[in-house]
Amino acid sequence: EAGVAQSPRYKIIEKRQSVAFWCNPISGHATLYWYQQILGQGPKLLIQFQNNGVVDDSQLPKDRFSAERLKGVDSTLKIQPAKLEDSAVYLCASSSAGTLKNSPLHFGNGTRLTVT
Amino acid sequence: AQSVTQPDIHITVSEGASLELRCNYSYGATPYLFWYVQSPGQGLQLLLKYFSGDTLVQGIKGFEAEFKRSQSSFNLRKPSVHWSDAAEYFCAVGGGNKLVFGAGTILRVKS
Repeated sequence: EAGVAQSPRYKIIEKRQSVAFWCNPISGHATLYWYQQILGQGPKLLIQFQNNGVVDDSQLPKDRFSAERLKGVDSTLKIQPAKLEDSAVYLCASSSAGTLKNSPLHFGNGTRLTVT
Repeated sequence: AQSVTQPDIHITVSEGASLELRCNYSYGATPYLFWYVQSPGQGLQLLLKYFSGDTLVQGIKGFEAEFKRSQSSFNLRKPSVHWSDAAEYFCAVGGGNKLVFGAGTILRVKS
């Protein structure tokens, strides 16, 4: 099966600019996650979708970050305006509906964002 | 709240030597526990998982992990490390649909 696709792989922007990342999950996977991985840290969940609805966005900085999954398939994560501390790898993951017990997460290769 | 501690930021082992990566977790109920591996520029790949039952679980690439409830630990082991095992390893604890990751341990393999 095709894996989780993310683009772009790399992005360099200046602070206060905006940026968007795209994710296409594995076909048929209802649950989609966006994680932020800052250098030297483990991935941190930003937002979780179940189909096109938000399940958990408690750690999403909503003043500058937004995400959508309009048709319940692919998703876009946006940052506007970016800050230096947003430099990180943004990982997308997907799983079929259900709990972690019967549906592990599959990760994409991530988008590395550098904010200068 | 769920949390994971990986005490070792870096570990260096010789090729062919045994390996143990430590993981301690905090979770209110019976946890789901995972180990992931991440090579540079890549996403996370699942090595193994524990939900219940036998506390020694086998994974891919010759890895195994042992769940010890009394110590709140889920350490990853491999009897003989290969140079291709050099990567970053993440322990994670989950419940429902949510995963919380540790900060990772970078494994270096010297020949």
